[in-house]
Amino acid sequence: GENVEQHPSTLSVQEGDSAVIKCTYSDSASNYFPWYKQELGKGPQLIIDIRSNVGEKKDQRIAVTLNKTAKHFSLHITETQPEDSAVYFCAAPMDSNYQLIWGAGTKLIIKP
Amino acid sequence: ETGVTQSPTHLIKTRGQQVTLRCSSQSGHNTVSWYQQALGQGPQFIFQYYREEENGRGNFPPRFSGLQFPNYSSELNVNALELDDSALYLCASSSQGALGYTFGSGTRLTVV
Repeated sequence: GENVEQHPSTLSVQEGDSAVIKCTYSDSASNYFPWYKQELGKGPQLIIDIRSNVGEKKDQRIAVTLNKTAKHFSLHITETQPEDSAVYFCAAPMDSNYQLIWGAGTKLIIKP
Repeated sequence: ETGVTQSPTHLIKTRGQQVTLRCSSQSGHNTVSWYQQALGQGPQFIFQYYREEENGRGNFPPRFSGLQFPNYSSELNVNALELDDSALYLCASSSQGALGYTFGSGTRLTVV
């Protein structure tokens, strides 16, 4: 089955700097990789996702890169702002594609 | 367009009791998934419902059960509550075949 590992567990960056969070997965058949942002007291919110037929996807200050050979994908946030502070989760689908296996999460702290 | 709503937001139960959590899916979504999120961890898949039938199940015992209604809303029932059942229970809706889930804010269950 799928196994997803996420690093680092905590990331502290200066406001305006970039942040990178990395995930590895085990199932080479996985073809969909979402990233979720969870703020305190709220449910996870999908912020960006990528399918296996592309290597990179951007949405304003957020980008995701995928390396299928190495089985890892990364979230990149540029020009970080205080509202980016949250816990970020990566995920990958199990065999049937309806069950997401989640990483353990990264707490992103933006220092003013 | 309304999002996913869950009720209640918080709940305290005694070990051995039973609990029912409720979820209204986002307009246009016909599939509902339930996740358990322990403190400081990523969500764990419990099960998914489509067309009022269970469409996949994670590694949870039979005392975790669910229902989906014709309007696509859903219930999660947990019998014989244990202390380890204390967690945030998240409901997510999607369209069948789509992997982009919309999550509710969750129900915080505390078992004492």
